[in-house]
Amino acid sequence: GDSVTQMEGPVTLSEEAFLTINCTYTATGYPSLFWYVQYPGEGLQLLLKATKADDKGSNKGFEATYRKETTSFHLEKGSVQVSDSAVYFCALSGDTGRRALTFGSGTRLQVQP
Amino acid sequence: DGGITQSPKYLFRKEGQNVTLSCEQNLNHDAMYWYRQDPGQGLRLIYYSQIVNDFQKGDIAEGYSVSREKKESFPLTVTSAQKNPTAFYLCASSIRTSGRSYNEQFFGPGTRLTVL
Repeated sequence: GDSVTQMEGPVTLSEEAFLTINCTYTATGYPSLFWYVQYPGEGLQLLLKATKADDKGSNKGFEATYRKETTSFHLEKGSVQVSDSAVYFCALSGDTGRRALTFGSGTRLQVQP
Repeated sequence: DGGITQSPKYLFRKEGQNVTLSCEQNLNHDAMYWYRQDPGQGLRLIYYSQIVNDFQKGDIAEGYSVSREKKESFPLTVTSAQKNPTAFYLCASSIRTSGRSYNEQFFGPGTRLTVL
């Protein structure tokens, strides 16, 4: 079945540091890939998405590129802020069947001033 | 404003009781989902519904039940058969997709259930 593997956290960075959160996936066919963000006590918000190979999703300074050859969708940001502190989830949606999201375990990011 | 609402925000249950979590959306979405989130873990799918009057079990359906009598509503009942129900429950919805198009899911704010 489909699966998503994320790097374990917490990831602790100083403000303005470069961020990478690794995500790899296993899926058949042509899944769509997503990054969601969750702030404490809240639901999930879609951060960015990519629906086919080599697509780059971007939003609020975050980027991720859909790499089919390495089955990866790593999240990057050039300069993090304290307000980016949250839990980040990588997820995929298969192109057939139930279409529900399969999530990674989440990576907590802590940005210190 | 369009969106998804979940109620209550916090819910306490005594052992042996059934409780129902509410999920309502006014996005005119066909598909709705229930996920469970445990600390340090990702979300796991409990039930999903692609259209009214139809729903399917997800990966961890045991001890839960749902109904989908209206397009905008998808309540989840946590029964006494669920042995470890303390968790954060998230409801989501999306347009119904076909072919190879993606289905962006929109999430509600969640309900935190605690068993006393």
